[in-house]
Order: sequence, then C-alpha cells, then structure tokens
Amino acid sequence: SQQGEEDPQALSIQEGENATMNCSYKTSINNLQWYRQNSGRGLVHLILIRSNEREKHSGRLRVTLDTSKKSSSLLITASWAADTASYFCATDPYSSASKIIFGSGTRLSIRP
Amino acid sequence: GAVVSQHPSRVICKSGTSVKIECRSLDFQATTMFWYRQFPKKSLMLMATSNEGSKATYEQGVEKDKFLINHASLTLSTLTVTSAHPEDSSFYICSARDLAGGYTEAFFGQGTRLTVV
Repeated sequence: SQQGEEDPQALSIQEGENATMNCSYKTSINNLQWYRQNSGRGLVHLILIRSNEREKHSGRLRVTLDTSKKSSSLLITASWAADTASYFCATDPYSSASKIIFGSGTRLSIRP
Repeated sequence: GAVVSQHPSRVICKSGTSVKIECRSLDFQATTMFWYRQFPKKSLMLMATSNEGSKATYEQGVEKDKFLINHASLTLSTLTVTSAHPEDSSFYICSARDLAGGYTEAFFGQGTRLTVV
C-alpha cells in the first residue's frame, strides 16, 4: 500500500508564480525524495533529503522535511511552463525492506 | 548518477500473449530491483521486490503467476507479463539499488508502456 499522501492533488498557477506541494507519510524514513514525471514518460529524480536534514535547495527547488510531523514540502520558485508535470514524493523507509513507496502525486499545470 | 536502462519503452501485444520487460543497471551492481506499475493519472504502486539469485517478494494483491520476475544476475531483472489481457495495459517502471555495501540511492528506469489489444 502507498505510504505517502500528497496535497493538493492538482495545482494550476500562472507562469512566474511559486508552486508548493506537500507530502505526508506514515513511518520512519531514511530519506525522502521528490520526482517529476511528464505525461506518459519516466521519472526524473529532483532532490533527495535525508532524515537528519531539514531543508535543501537545488536551483529553483526548495525542499523541507519535518520528521516530527512526518511531512515534506516541495517549493518551485518562479515557475515556467516546462514545469508542468506530475510531482511525486517517495519515502525510503528505515527498514530492511528498503523499498521506496510513492505518494499519490500532485499534477501541476503552469498557465503561460 | 547511475543509469538504469529499461527495454522496451513501448510495446503493443495481442491478448493472450506474453511480454517480457528488461531492466538493466549499466554502471553498478543491482543487488535489489523493484517493479512498479502505474495506471493513468495515478501514482506508482510497488508490485514486487527481487534480490539477485532469489525469488521475488510480491506485494499483496499482485499475482505472482501473472507477473513473473527473474533477477538472475546483478545487472539484469526481467518482468514477464504472462497471458496478457487488456486490463494489464499499464506503465511499468523498474528501480535498482546496490545494498551490498550499505545504504545507497535507488535509480529508476524510464518505464515501459504496455498496451494489450
């Protein structure tokens, strides 16, 4: 079963605005990752944040992690039309199973 | 980062036939590989986990006789959809990681879009 839940399920914003997506999960994790998926395509790894980190930046991306609340957020600043995609959080659980579980995803649409 | 190659990227097959999907780790040894399935506009659901040389562990609700997984080498895992039906049409993605030396990141293939007609 999926561990993560993301909100919103869908988000539509104007080009140039910031987009924020949230992810909640249930069990202890080694790390949490964010992926992007363009329609009908494979996954693109965006950023990984480890359980002992609280915030991480990569270009226009900012990820936060709150392990006490079991939640993470992905902020995309100054969005472009090319950012239109589905975004998934994926948790790497702290267990021997080592299987990555994906959240439900957020479909982001950037209006030009 | 490490590369995982998945082949084919798209396949169309007739109902009742079997289809094999390959997942290769190109520059690292994948002790563990994972297979996911994704329905349109949905998230990725883990189907099974396979460790090199061992039988795959399937998630609840996944038919092991329908989805045959082989992980015979440290660089190759295959998923065979047997006696495919239209409801098996989906996007299948593999993931690989090397757990021999401790924790490492997982890397994903580009996915295979299976259409059963």
